[in-house]
Amino acid sequence: DIVMTQSPDSLAVSLGERATFNCKSSQSVLYRSTNKNSLAWFQQKPGQPPKLLIYWASTRESGVPDRFSGSGSGTDFTLTISSLQAEDVAVYYCQQYYTTPYTFGQGTKLEIK
Amino acid sequence: EVQLVESGGGLVQPGGSLRLSCEASGFTFSTYAMSWVRRAPGKGLEWVSEISASGGSTYSSDSVKGRFTISRDNSENTLYLQMNSLRAEDTAVYYCAKVGATFDYWGQGTLVTVSS
Repeated sequence: DIVMTQSPDSLAVSLGERATFNCKSSQSVLYRSTNKNSLAWFQQKPGQPPKLLIYWASTRESGVPDRFSGSGSGTDFTLTISSLQAEDVAVYYCQQYYTTPYTFGQGTKLEIK
Repeated sequence: EVQLVESGGGLVQPGGSLRLSCEASGFTFSTYAMSWVRRAPGKGLEWVSEISASGGSTYSSDSVKGRFTISRDNSENTLYLQMNSLRAEDTAVYYCAKVGATFDYWGQGTLVTVSS
């Protein structure tokens, strides 16, 4: 199984500042034939289902604010919130869909400093 | 608008069975793979099972293989998860999810509690 490891486990950032989440996979999730990384980021707020933010490592889902961006390739990935808003408080998960079993990172909890 | 509505959760004793349902609307159900994902209390997300658009192919995590069966009825736009031999560690909120590139739409979830 591909193990997804996120860092840090929790993050406290001031409003308007940048938040950076890291995700590392135990093996590459890059499809060389398409040059696409099968890596997604989700946001989950209490009492709500997860919401897809980013897929193919850097493609923003429709309706997601442009302050959210994804980057990385192979085994190392980053989600960045360029200017933190109060409504961004949530747990953020990375997920690989390169192969089954699809696996998620353990999550990073984002709080306001 | 895509809508996914789960039902069928509840309290069940260890060793018991439950069948979850997920009614889909707002998209052409028969052309998309569908998955079940769960979140246990205080834990992260865990993929459970996936079924192809036609229903001809299914995939499951090792933790549920042989106990859970995913199926679908494309004429009724409904996804199912038959859960047998339930264990305490199966206690979780179960979400159904539409599969685009990955899980692009999710239901609100249904809670399954396995306890005596």
